[in-house]
Amino acid sequence: NAGVTQTPKFRVLKTGQSMTLLCAQDMNHEYMYWYRQDPGMGLRLIHYSVGEGTTAKGEVPDGYNVSRLKKQNFLLGLESAAPSQTSVYFCASSYYRANTGELFFGEGSRLTVL
Amino acid sequence: SQKIEQNSEALNIQEGKTATLTCNYTNYSPAYLQWYRQDPGRGPVFLLLIRENEKEKRKERLKVTFDTTLKQSLFHITASQPADSATYLCALDMRSWGYSTLTFGKGTMLLVSP
Repeated sequence: NAGVTQTPKFRVLKTGQSMTLLCAQDMNHEYMYWYRQDPGMGLRLIHYSVGEGTTAKGEVPDGYNVSRLKKQNFLLGLESAAPSQTSVYFCASSYYRANTGELFFGEGSRLTVL
Repeated sequence: SQKIEQNSEALNIQEGKTATLTCNYTNYSPAYLQWYRQDPGRGPVFLLLIRENEKEKRKERLKVTFDTTLKQSLFHITASQPADSATYLCALDMRSWGYSTLTFGKGTMLLVSP
């Protein structure tokens, strides 16, 4: 049972390049989330999905797109990377109607935009 | 929008003492409040959830309180150990239709010295 797996773990981009972060979970969770974590800012929600084929904007969605074509996967795309998107990105998932509603996080993807 | 403040960026205590971390929030009270632990270079890991109608929750050496009048949650680690050194995050759980869109505080870094 791998839990939540994020790829890649590290990536360096040049301004204007595009890339996709992949999140995969093997817990059959309905809900998936993308957060970014910056020093002094805490975790901020970018986008989330409540089921296959659905996505919604979080607190800081600008500059990002997401897709959830399969229940187990949630992709985060950067179409034209900017230095302000240098951050650590965390994917998380949760179970529908869980007693606790806890989020299961991946280990993070560290992105640097030069 | 909700604002969350965690008492300090860092807290240093001696092994064996009780660590007390504070989480304050503004505006309306969430239905739930969650606490997570995050180690350097790792994703957050869920510790405890407390509901608005619960005043206290315990799990082994951990205790969480929730005071909706004061708009505050306290997180205690009793008989602290160096292995408890980590960053602790509180998160407001604004639950909607079964899924949680968590709003996180910036975290408090706890350092337990032998």
